[in-house]
Amino acid sequence: QQQVKQSPQSLIVQKGGISIINCAYENTAFDYFPWYQQFPGKGPALLIAIRPDVSEKKEGRFTISFNKSAKQFSLHIMDSQPGDSATYFCAARGGRNRDDKIIFGKGTRLHILP
Amino acid sequence: DGGITQSPKYLFRKEGQNVTLSCEQNLNHDAMYWYRQDPGQGLRLIYYSQIVNDFQKGDIAEGYSVSREKKESFPLTVTSAQKNPTAFYLCASSISINTDTQYFGPGTRLTVL
Repeated sequence: QQQVKQSPQSLIVQKGGISIINCAYENTAFDYFPWYQQFPGKGPALLIAIRPDVSEKKEGRFTISFNKSAKQFSLHIMDSQPGDSATYFCAARGGRNRDDKIIFGKGTRLHILP
Repeated sequence: DGGITQSPKYLFRKEGQNVTLSCEQNLNHDAMYWYRQDPGQGLRLIYYSQIVNDFQKGDIAEGYSVSREKKESFPLTVTSAQKNPTAFYLCASSISINTDTQYFGPGTRLTVL
């Protein structure tokens, strides 16, 4: 119940295309869903996050779509660029206690073809 | 510059030796975390600390130890009891254990020879 399942494991997209990464969770107590971006040899950095009171959040070319009934959320990268090539992690947090740990997905390695 | 620093960036050790990884933050954050990253495994929590002189085990604490004597410092010791220590280690911090956003350091790649 504490898992966050992320797919695909790797993704190749042409420059200008839309990159889509999906995550699913079981614990309905989760109430915070961030996406982290990690470049090779660097630490992850928060990219965008959503709470379940909205179905979509957009920041520039990055959009999170959230489906509470299906317990799924996804990251869409519009007009994908070579500089977007990185590993992306979805995550979830929340529960009875606010000190519950963040649970990370296993990551998606995204490669944008120039 | 505010942020989290980890040193060294690359670390090599011989099998059977203990090694300590450094993590320092000047963000005035109360909570700090250590994660281990392996290819295809995502981020797994080793230890975390809510406040100075306090720390709790995460999901994979066996073979590791930590201390939190100062607010800004949270060193991780990889002991010889850790059976597969070769990995990328990430330190993170957050304002408190109750806040959502974690800020990560640049990581230390440990290789056991």
